[in-house]
Amino acid sequence: GAVVSQHPSWVICKSGTSVKIECRSLDFQATTMFWYRQFPKQSLMLMATSNEGSKATYEQGVEKDKFLINHASLTLSTLTVTSAHPEDSSFYICSASNGRVDTEAFFGQGTRLTVV
Amino acid sequence: AQSVSQHNHHVILSEAASLELGCNYSYGGTVNLFWYVQYPGQHLQLLLKYFSGDPLVKGIKGFEAEFIKSKFSFNLRKPSVQWSDTAEYFCAVKRRAAGNKLTFGGGTRVLVKP
Repeated sequence: GAVVSQHPSWVICKSGTSVKIECRSLDFQATTMFWYRQFPKQSLMLMATSNEGSKATYEQGVEKDKFLINHASLTLSTLTVTSAHPEDSSFYICSASNGRVDTEAFFGQGTRLTVV
Repeated sequence: AQSVSQHNHHVILSEAASLELGCNYSYGGTVNLFWYVQYPGQHLQLLLKYFSGDPLVKGIKGFEAEFIKSKFSFNLRKPSVQWSDTAEYFCAVKRRAAGNKLTFGGGTRVLVKP
């Protein structure tokens, strides 16, 4: 399958700082990327959908000013957690799709964010 | 109400036992269906997928799933589990009418005792 690389794998930051997480599709053009959040022992919750070159679409209850998503190229999307607080600590996972309806999205390895 | 339902939150079984995990969804229209596995400390891996055609889908590691449209179900099965199948399993649904985004079920944590 296609490869999606997410970086960093884990990050610890101080409360009030911002953290950027990158998601790259290494061998295909990702017209659409999805960002999920996974709390311990829970399922993945979709945060937002981003299409290359346009603004992200956020799910209900997700603060767009807190979770900034940029999808400036067909191989890179970034999620920036602004002014992070301990309650933002979680596992963040991206997935990338080439936009075709007959193929699946491919997942990155996830980023564990801990805000102290 | 949850749109993708996995009925069992936890399953404990012994090696060589058969496994069946239930998944139901509540969407109409065209859907694509997936089962993912997440081993402890690892990222999601695709087990199998259904897009069209034969409703009985075979995936990796001896898993299979059957799409029953009339029941809105896509149950996962494995005839004989191994200790290495200990993991969390997620059912996911992609709705063509919703921009191809995936909605996940709540997950089922499977523990296989050696």
